[in-house]
Amino acid sequence: KNEVEQSPQNLTAQEGEFITINCSYSVGISALHWLQQHPGGGIVSLFMLSSGKKKHGRLIATINIQEKHSSLHITASHPRDSAVYICAVYTGTASKLTFGTGTRLQVTL
Amino acid sequence: NAGVTQTPKFRVLKTGQSMTLLCAQDMNHEYMYWYRQDPGMGLRLIHYSVGEGTTAKGEVPDGYNVSRLKKQNFLLGLESAAPSQTSVYFCASSSIRDRGSYEQYFGPGTRLTVT
Repeated sequence: KNEVEQSPQNLTAQEGEFITINCSYSVGISALHWLQQHPGGGIVSLFMLSSGKKKHGRLIATINIQEKHSSLHITASHPRDSAVYICAVYTGTASKLTFGTGTRLQVTL
Repeated sequence: NAGVTQTPKFRVLKTGQSMTLLCAQDMNHEYMYWYRQDPGMGLRLIHYSVGEGTTAKGEVPDGYNVSRLKKQNFLLGLESAAPSQTSVYFCASSSIRDRGSYEQYFGPGTRLTVT
């Protein structure tokens, strides 16, 4: 079993829909990172959080440390949101990350 | 600031050839990392460095070597390339100065194909 599990693996939505991507982890962490990767593109940081909730534009990330669970929400989704969303956790020394396998999101018109 | 840059962006090697991937960062970060990304798998740590002259093995170090002779550069070497090393390689860096902030910054990636 992977230490970081994401669901769903693939997600198709219509423009305007509210989207939720989930991340569960089985280890103690110091922080959790949500990243975005466009097809053929680099990896961009969206959020890093260790408690509570963060919001940036149409993106909202929440984390529940006790339940070892985080969610990434996208409100009013748009085709430009189509990308792979990756959850990763910081697990201690040297700021090392353990990654989930990603959620591939496709937003259609 | 350029952030984290990687050279080259693409490369095709024949089995047994060697090559070096260069990662450079201009943020004065102490920590640097090399990852590989394969279909259906999360990014996996190959090697990392916590400072100039220091390197350590990650999750999948076999077949790779690294060097950190200067703080801003982190080199990943393949001594004898194998088809199993076909992958996209990402470099990242982070700072220890911001307590509680471990954020890693990623380079654009290098797509390597070994035939």
